[in-house]
Amino acid sequence: DAKTTQPTSMDCAEGRAANLPCNHSTISGNEYVYWYRQIHSQGPQYIIHGLKNNETNEMASLIITEDRKSSTLILPHATLRDTAVYYCIVSINEKLTFGTGTRLTIIP
Amino acid sequence: DADVTQTPRNRITKTGKRIMLECSQTKGHDRMYWYRQDPGLGLRLIYYSFDVKDINKGEISDGYSVSRQAQAKFSLSLESAIPNQTALYFCATSESGGSSYNEQFFGPGTRLTVL
Repeated sequence: DAKTTQPTSMDCAEGRAANLPCNHSTISGNEYVYWYRQIHSQGPQYIIHGLKNNETNEMASLIITEDRKSSTLILPHATLRDTAVYYCIVSINEKLTFGTGTRLTIIP
Repeated sequence: DADVTQTPRNRITKTGKRIMLECSQTKGHDRMYWYRQDPGLGLRLIYYSFDVKDINKGEISDGYSVSRQAQAKFSLSLESAIPNQTALYFCATSESGGSSYNEQFFGPGTRLTVL
């Protein structure tokens, strides 16, 4: 599976949009981009996934570059409850490999 | 009630002991997974099962075994626990088949300490 590179940590002001980048320069054509998050030591929670097109759901938006070598997860109006570790994963199936993720802290 | 439950939630044991961690789900999913998480790191896949008669090794299966007793139950065993198996263990489930991705639903985790 392709590997991903994410910033170790980021801060975002409450109410602002949080933009979390992910590089996956070796992604193959049939690999999806998945995002999960983990709040404290709870089990990870699925956020969104995509292949080529941008995706949006009730939690977030996923923007994938045209060459698919990078993507951005957008939380449009961050709240304190969005403080978590966010994992960007690329895979062709349900066998997920979690890296170390980005620790996002929402600042009041 | 939680859809994916894990027992025990916390366990302290000694080196050489046999330990079983249990996972139960009420979501009716066919697929189940076991992961471990070490401090400051992401999750790594230990074993996964796509149905009752299917068992597959993941990234780090050495020192572990699993049993899929029923669709709803998936157990992880440490035959002879060692200190570097101290970690947070997560069970997850997902639906099978279909053309779209099936998200994984995670349990609350079991914190295992091997002394």
